[in-house]
Amino acid sequence: DIQMTQSPSALSASVGDRVTITCRASQSINSCLAWYQHKPGRAPKLLIYKASNLEGGVPSRFSGSGSGTEFTLTISSLQPDDFATYYCQQYNSYTPITFGQGTKVEIK
Amino acid sequence: QVQLQQSGPGLVKPSQTLSLTCAISGDSVSSRSCAWNWIRQSPSRGLEWLGRTYYRSTKWYNDYPVSVESRVTINADTSKNQFSLQLNSVTPEDTAVYYCARDTGTTFPFDYWGQGILVTVSS
Repeated sequence: DIQMTQSPSALSASVGDRVTITCRASQSINSCLAWYQHKPGRAPKLLIYKASNLEGGVPSRFSGSGSGTEFTLTISSLQPDDFATYYCQQYNSYTPITFGQGTKVEIK
Repeated sequence: QVQLQQSGPGLVKPSQTLSLTCAISGDSVSSRSCAWNWIRQSPSRGLEWLGRTYYRSTKWYNDYPVSVESRVTINADTSKNQFSLQLNSVTPEDTAVYYCARDTGTTFPFDYWGQGILVTVSS
């Protein structure tokens, strides 16, 4: 299976900060990479698909980049609603779907 | 608008079978462009994909990860437009929040999710 490694596992930030989360795949996944936001008691919400495409309705302060094995989620100016756990997911064809272990974004 | 509504027991005894259902509205379980997935989340294992079912041409297909394939079955019920998860021989390690979700192809992520159900395995 393809292993997804996220870093950091947690971070503390203030409203207005720029936040960057990294996800590394154990082998190339051809940009088949998604980012989700997850809040307690709610279903995960798709933010980014195909590494850099913003899902409809998602604020433009979220962006994704990368290809191959290295990917990044950036929140350009952290808002109060953004405090949550973020997961990357690879969905490369013909391999089991796997997730990163999550990055918890907490209020500083 | 696609909606996925999950149902099933929140408590299962060890060694028994966990059974959950996901009812679909706004789409069809027989769609030839979608797949219907189960995912779980626990503090110890994070998010774990449990498998999917999908209909292509005239056949139903299933994909399961090796980690659970000996214990898991995902079935579609076209008469009720829903799909189900069965996980056999559960242990406390299977305690998790279980989600159903849709994807629109093997190179697409999960765009719609169910509300999640906490299933506790305990005697």
